[in-house]
This record gives sequence, structure tokens and C-alpha cells, in this order.
Amino acid sequence: NAGVTQTPKFRVLKTGQSMTLLCAQDMNHEYMYWYRQDPGMGLRLIHYSVGEGTTAKGEVPDGYNVSRLKKQNFLLGLESAAPSQTSVYFCASSRLYGAGGAHEQFFGPGTRLTVL
Amino acid sequence: SQQGEEDPQALSIQEGENATMNCSYKTSINNLQWYRQNSGRGLVHLILIRSNEREKHSGRLRVTLDTSKKSSSLLITASRAADTASYFCATDPETGANSKLTFGKGITLSVRP
Repeated sequence: NAGVTQTPKFRVLKTGQSMTLLCAQDMNHEYMYWYRQDPGMGLRLIHYSVGEGTTAKGEVPDGYNVSRLKKQNFLLGLESAAPSQTSVYFCASSRLYGAGGAHEQFFGPGTRLTVL
Repeated sequence: SQQGEEDPQALSIQEGENATMNCSYKTSINNLQWYRQNSGRGLVHLILIRSNEREKHSGRLRVTLDTSKKSSSLLITASRAADTASYFCATDPETGANSKLTFGKGITLSVRP
């Protein structure tokens, strides 16, 4: 199993350009998430999905859109990139951790995005 | 908004020593989790403790939870150089479809050989 994979690993954009980050998981997980990690800020949730065809906003959704057309894929789009979106982006998927509804998350290796 | 706050921000110890890291949070939780992040990598789940539990063990890891003080601690015993990483606590206030983790800013642990 590859687990959670992210494409691309690195990307440099100019302000105003658009791009899509792809996340794929082969663990048949229902839930998927997109985070951004900035120095001194920890991880912040951008958007998440609780199943194929569903998406929901997280803590910092502005400037991003997502789609979950297939269960195994979760796409993060930047329509008009801004320097404030320079960050490391992590995708995660989760499974139930025993009884009680808690979720254990599995993370991808990250995408380092620089917006000039 | 950051729910969990780890303490200290950075910790440097000698190999073989124990490392204790603390996490405080503000609102009630269903469970609290600890994750490790090696440099340049994604996070890896270490251990989960539910709100009705006080202590859990996993190998060299021991986590405690005090819901009255809204705090948790992670103890790594007999540390190794390979334990060098950033450690994050994450709180989950709910379960099921509404389960979402809120991460702290992390603790940087350095274990000197």
C-alpha cells in the first residue's frame, strides 16, 4: 500500500496563477483533509470531506476550493494564487480508531508551494 | 484558532534520558492525539487517549490526560537519536462525521547521541 500520496512535491507559482494539488489514498478511507503548515503556526485545516461527493470548510478555507469526485482522491485548487498562500500543504485521510468514533489520521508527504 | 498548546516549544536531551512534553487545551474534548513529524515529512500518528481515560502506554510512549486541568503529557522513555522530531498534540471535540482535529504548534525535540 502506498498510503497517502501527494502530487506535486514542489511548485513555484506567480501571483495570480492557478493550480491543483492532488491527494490520493489507497486505504479506502471515507474521510480526507487538507491542511497548511506555516512556521510557528502548526497545522491549520483548510477543507475536509466525509465521503465521496462531499466537502466542507475548515478553519482557513478562503482562496481555496476542493473536490472529492472519487473516494480515493481529494483535490485542492488555488484559483488565483497569492504570496500569503506560500506554505507546505498536507493531505490526510482517516479511519475509525476502535469504538467511540475517534479518527486516526494518516498524512501524505506534503507539497511545498511558493507563490512569488 | 489553536486549541492545543504544547510546552516547551523546544527540548534538547541526551540519548537515554526521558523526554516529557505537555499540551494544554481550552475546550472540552472527545479525545486527544499525539503525532510526530520528522523533518520534511508528513505527520505520523503516535497515540490516542479518550476523554474517559487517564493514562495509556504504547511501547516507550506514555500519555496522560487530566480533563479537569485540560492538559495532557507525552513521555518518551529511554530516548534515542531517532526520536529527534517535532511532536504535536491534536484535540478532537467530537466524534463521527464531525470529527476534526485541531493541532498545536508543536514541540521540537532534539536527542543528542
